[in-house]
Amino acid sequence: DAGVTQSPTHLIKTRGQHVTLRCSPISGHKSVSWYQQVLGQGPQFIFQYYEKEERGRGNFPDRFSARQFPNYSSELNVNALLLGDSALYLCASSLVVGEQFFGPGTRLTVL
Amino acid sequence: AQRVTQPEKLLSVFKGAPVELKCNYSYSGSPELFWYVQYSRQRLQLLLRHISRESIKGFTADLNKGETSFHLKKPFAQEEDSAMYYCALSGEGSGNTGKLIFGQGTTLQVKP
Repeated sequence: DAGVTQSPTHLIKTRGQHVTLRCSPISGHKSVSWYQQVLGQGPQFIFQYYEKEERGRGNFPDRFSARQFPNYSSELNVNALLLGDSALYLCASSLVVGEQFFGPGTRLTVL
Repeated sequence: AQRVTQPEKLLSVFKGAPVELKCNYSYSGSPELFWYVQYSRQRLQLLLRHISRESIKGFTADLNKGETSFHLKKPFAQEEDSAMYYCALSGEGSGNTGKLIFGQGTTLQVKP
């Protein structure tokens, strides 16, 4: 198992555009969480999905949305991008109880 | 409000010296506390969690509810311990670890 995978690795967008980030969890993991990590800070919780249902949402605007598919993979969507959305976006998967396993992240740059 | 504070951005020690990475938290219930580590060019990974009471790579951390602290300690630092360390808490109570609140992180630099 390759662990949690995320795509793309890097991407560059301009203000106002929208972006879709993808995450494939470890086989057997039904919970996927998304985090935003701005340079110099710790990861900040955005969403958790479990069994395709949103289980929690952090303090992020409605421009941020996510979903989980029947195969437990997940997408994070961000609309109307702002310069401040530039960050590393991390995905983590877990059994609901237990260790979270993180992916390598997607580096988003908004110009 | 739930919060995790790591007061030091950088901690620099010599090889063989003791290490203590500080973590304080704010949470009104019974949180579950974690330490995550990120080595250079690697992904974030769990180092230890307070409920398991394990010692991983020589590191230990004790939850002090009175002082709301969860400091990470190692008696003798090794060069391979150089990394970014994050303290995190989960306040879900039901064992759901999918919502973690992270501190800002401390870079540990172990000099030869």
